[in-house]
Amino acid sequence: DAGITQSPRHKVTETGTPVTLRCHQTENHRYMYWYRQDPGHGLRLIHYSYGVKDTDKGEVSDGYSVSRSKTEDFLLTLESATSSQTSVYFCAISGDTGAGNEQYFGPGTRLTVT
Amino acid sequence: SQKIEQNSEALNIQEGKTATLTCNYTNYSPAYLQWYRQDPGRGPVFLLLIRENEKEKRKERLKVTFDTTLKQSLFHITASQPADSATYLCAFMDTGRRALTFGSGTRLQVQP
Repeated sequence: DAGITQSPRHKVTETGTPVTLRCHQTENHRYMYWYRQDPGHGLRLIHYSYGVKDTDKGEVSDGYSVSRSKTEDFLLTLESATSSQTSVYFCAISGDTGAGNEQYFGPGTRLTVT
Repeated sequence: SQKIEQNSEALNIQEGKTATLTCNYTNYSPAYLQWYRQDPGRGPVFLLLIRENEKEKRKERLKVTFDTTLKQSLFHITASQPADSATYLCAFMDTGRRALTFGSGTRLQVQP
């Protein structure tokens, strides 16, 4: 497996509380991504980063923010969790190969908002 | 906007047969189309990439085709095995953002 870890792996939180998910890589890859996966929707991009302090929104970014202060860490924050954010969250990384951009995924974080 | 569609119904086949999964897209042809495998409770794993100007790509028992006229990619697993049972995802890359858009995946079940 590519050197990607996610923490926590499971979390249950209450509506309205802030939540931060962490993605850590040891591959020194430039690109990092956060996706959510829900039944019937597949993987949807939340935010991605193309370098330290460089981030951009994906298709489902509302209610989420991200930060990347170091190459190896990409944080996803839910400022005020809602039940609609119950999902499995995957982090992915990709190198700057100039073509194809195949991605390597972490093990996922299962988040439940009650 | 670009959409990517996979058959949401599970595909059940017998061991030894060839499995064929379909990925259709709308609008423009992506520069690259990728296939991933996902097992329950795990993240997707990259399998193959095919470029717009390639008709076919092979890797061991896997074969991917890319037909820009039909706006379709086919993913084949020959001599399928029960261990091939998983969900298979296709994705295309938005070259402007270097981000992937995924289909919802097709679950393959290979019966022994």
